[in-house]
Amino acid sequence: GENVEQHPSTLSVQEGDSAVIKCTYSDSASNYFPWYKQELGKRPQLIIDIRSNVGEKKDQRIAVTLNKTAKHFSLHITETQPEDSAVYFCAASGANSKLTFGKGITLSVRP
Amino acid sequence: GAGVSQSPRYKVAKRGQDVALRCDPISGHVSLFWYQQALGQGPEFLTYFQNEAQLDKSGLPSDRFFAERPEGSVSTLKIQRTQQEDSAVYLCASSLNQGGRGGNGYTFGSGTRLTVV
Repeated sequence: GENVEQHPSTLSVQEGDSAVIKCTYSDSASNYFPWYKQELGKRPQLIIDIRSNVGEKKDQRIAVTLNKTAKHFSLHITETQPEDSAVYFCAASGANSKLTFGKGITLSVRP
Repeated sequence: GAGVSQSPRYKVAKRGQDVALRCDPISGHVSLFWYQQALGQGPEFLTYFQNEAQLDKSGLPSDRFFAERPEGSVSTLKIQRTQQEDSAVYLCASSLNQGGRGGNGYTFGSGTRLTVV
């Protein structure tokens, strides 16, 4: 089955700096890659997603890039703010519909 | 409703007790998913419904876990004879489109935190 790995497991950045979170996946048939943000005690919330037919997608301060050959995708957050502090999960799915999640990365933005 | 609603929000069960967790998806959403999230981990897939049909239950950890969605709307996850290792947050998600790969992806509920003592 699919295996999704995230690295690093924690990331601390200064407010205003950029943050990059990377994920790798194992199943070349996977074609949908969402990113979720989860604050402590709250539900995971979809922040951006990308499909395998595109290489990059942007939404204001957030962007996602996908390298299908290398089977990795990354989340880029620019001009980080303290409210960006949370756990971020990447995930992948293919024709079988279910999402396989990474273990999550804890992002801390220092004011 | 406006979002995915789960109840109860918290459940404490004695080991060996049966529990039932409810998920009320967004109205009209075709797909419904159950995930288990252990502390400090990512959500792990349990099962998937498309309308009332359970299309994938490969993630259910044992035959003590059972899920249903009889009318294609509300779903119930039942855990029989609960064990301590069942302690986790159980998340439900729904999606308008088949397989959760529509434009909006999944919308998660707030989850039920189950603690087995």
